[in-house]
Amino acid sequence: GAGVSQSPSNKVTEKGKDVELRCDPISGHTALYWYRQSLGQGLEFLIYFQGNSAPDKSGLPSDRFSAERTGGSVSTLTIQRTQQEDSAVYLCASSLGQALRETQYFGPGTRLLVL
Amino acid sequence: AQTVTQSQPEMSVQEAETVTLSCTYDTSESDYYLFWYKQPPSRQMILVIRQEAYKQQNATENRFSVNFQKAAKSFSLKISDSQLGDAAMYFCAYCYTGNQFYFGTGTSLTVIP
Repeated sequence: GAGVSQSPSNKVTEKGKDVELRCDPISGHTALYWYRQSLGQGLEFLIYFQGNSAPDKSGLPSDRFSAERTGGSVSTLTIQRTQQEDSAVYLCASSLGQALRETQYFGPGTRLLVL
Repeated sequence: AQTVTQSQPEMSVQEAETVTLSCTYDTSESDYYLFWYKQPPSRQMILVIRQEAYKQQNATENRFSVNFQKAAKSFSLKISDSQLGDAAMYFCAYCYTGNQFYFGTGTSLTVIP
């Protein structure tokens, strides 16, 4: 079976532009996570979706960041008016349920570079 | 606030030898989970091992084992019989709600042939 996929693999954009990052979780996984990994740093939690529940957006760094998950499957992370400090690898992960007892499966990430 | 600290930015080990990666964390919760993840150059994070805080027995997965010291808030990873394929970044992580995971800054492990 396919794993978690993310697109694009790499994205270069100019400061001030909007970008959309896509995550296709493993089929049947109800939980979906977005993380940001800046150079030399660990993963920073951004947002968590679980089934039809309201997402946990507490990790989003500013109102320029938003995410949605349509039909409980594909998720899109949108960054508006990108800044240079948004440059990072954005990782998506999914799990059957909450990833305490269930394994989180990560995608390969999208490397974003804001010029 | 929950924090996870990995004090060893880089470690190296001779092939077939044993290496221990350190991790400490800070929490006021009594029931939580701890994890070690491996990130090879491909960037794809892989779960190595998971420990439930209420279980006193240290988790083991083949050549990987942990030394969980709850009172000291310490969670180290021991890799036995190191292999070239073990070379990667290793991240320690903490979670208690199932929502937010807190990751350390990682330890880069080099395996010397």
